[in-house]
Amino acid sequence: AQSVTQLGSHVSVSEGALVLLRCNYSSSVPPYLFWYVQYPNQGLQLLLKYTSAATLVKGINGFEAEFKKSETSFHLTKPSAHMSDAAEYFCAVSKGGYNKLIFGAGTRLAVHP
Amino acid sequence: EAQVTQNPRYLITVTGKKLTVTCSQNMNHEYMSWYRQDPGLGLRQIYYSMNVEVTDKGDVPEGYKVSRKEKRNFPLILESPSPNQTSLYFCASSPRTGGDEQYFGPGTRLTVT
Repeated sequence: AQSVTQLGSHVSVSEGALVLLRCNYSSSVPPYLFWYVQYPNQGLQLLLKYTSAATLVKGINGFEAEFKKSETSFHLTKPSAHMSDAAEYFCAVSKGGYNKLIFGAGTRLAVHP
Repeated sequence: EAQVTQNPRYLITVTGKKLTVTCSQNMNHEYMSWYRQDPGLGLRQIYYSMNVEVTDKGDVPEGYKVSRKEKRNFPLILESPSPNQTSLYFCASSPRTGGDEQYFGPGTRLTVT
């Protein structure tokens, strides 16, 4: 069965610091991988997705993620945090041909001045 | 504007009183899905629909019903709500297969007392 583990339910960084949010997945077949962001009182918005093309995926708002098959990881990074990045971030996996998303538990990112 | 809408956004009800949460998308998407979000658990799929008149259970279907009589609408029905169904609910839609982005509605916060 597929599963997603996000290490760290809360991450706090200073404005301008590197953001690193960790995601590991388990899947018996090559997966599709996604990062979604949820701002307070809003739905989920897609940041980026991996669908077996380039292993380094660039998304919106300066975020990127690297698919590492050997480590079964899909960590999300941003070189310089901004106050507006404060939100909850979800990593998700789906199996090819199906749309069911398996979500991680989420990581709440706090950005302080 | 392309969007997924849900109504109501907030609902407080009592145990056993039937309710329906509506979901509508204007993007002509074939696939629609319902998720519930609970702290520490991420989002879990309740039901999904691959097309009109085609629905199937997700991971946590107990206590819920759905129908898909029209392509744009996918209501979630709680025939006898219980307090353990207090949660934040999201409807999502996508064009077709697993690599497609899912578009999420704004969420419905349900409290069952």
